[in-house]
Amino acid sequence: DQQVKQNSPSLSVQEGRISILNCDYTNSMFDYFLWYKKYPAEGPTFLISISSIKDKNEDGRFTVFLNKSAKHLSLHIVPSQPGDSAVYFCAASAHKLVFGKGMKLTVNP
Amino acid sequence: DAGVIQSPRHEVTEMGQEVTLRCKPISGHDYLFWYRQTMMRGLELLIYFNNNVPIDDSGMPEDRFSAKMPNASFSTLKIQPSEPRDSAVYFCASSTGGAEDNEQFFGPGTRLTVL
Repeated sequence: DQQVKQNSPSLSVQEGRISILNCDYTNSMFDYFLWYKKYPAEGPTFLISISSIKDKNEDGRFTVFLNKSAKHLSLHIVPSQPGDSAVYFCAASAHKLVFGKGMKLTVNP
Repeated sequence: DAGVIQSPRHEVTEMGQEVTLRCKPISGHDYLFWYRQTMMRGLELLIYFNNNVPIDDSGMPEDRFSAKMPNASFSTLKIQPSEPRDSAVYFCASSTGGAEDNEQFFGPGTRLTVL
């Protein structure tokens, strides 16, 4: 059973607009959450993370929001750029990382 | 630093053959992880090591899979005998700490195709 779910397989947005990527989890023991970005033929690279004691973490154009009561987190990219086009993985940690299936983001010029 | 190095990048083999995937972690990293990516299941943790010792192999699908880390700079993932359902991209990652709040650095992956 998937403990970390990314229910939308893909998202397409226009350059300059906001991209919102969503992730749900089921295990209340998760205490750390991460987003990874993956380009074709490359391994995933770390993007941003958030501890369960926080509800928001911001790094430049990237912001992650955590709603523990809803067991939901989201990644906001503002403004979106064509170079952001990639597969994004949500991951949660309780001693080891559990990844979602990923979501393909396409940012159109 | 060259990052995490994996070889081969691509492997095509026939069902029943032995397959060995190799990984060189980033120097100084104490943790090494093996993941498998498939369309159906996404990115799954197979096994991870701390200071060359296997800590959690609960993700290893079955006895056909085995992993070793003979020293701090080398690890292998072996599949014997291989089956078509093992076709996937296998990633190795390393980090300076456990999974809780330490960034894992991934290699480029090995794309395995079992015919």
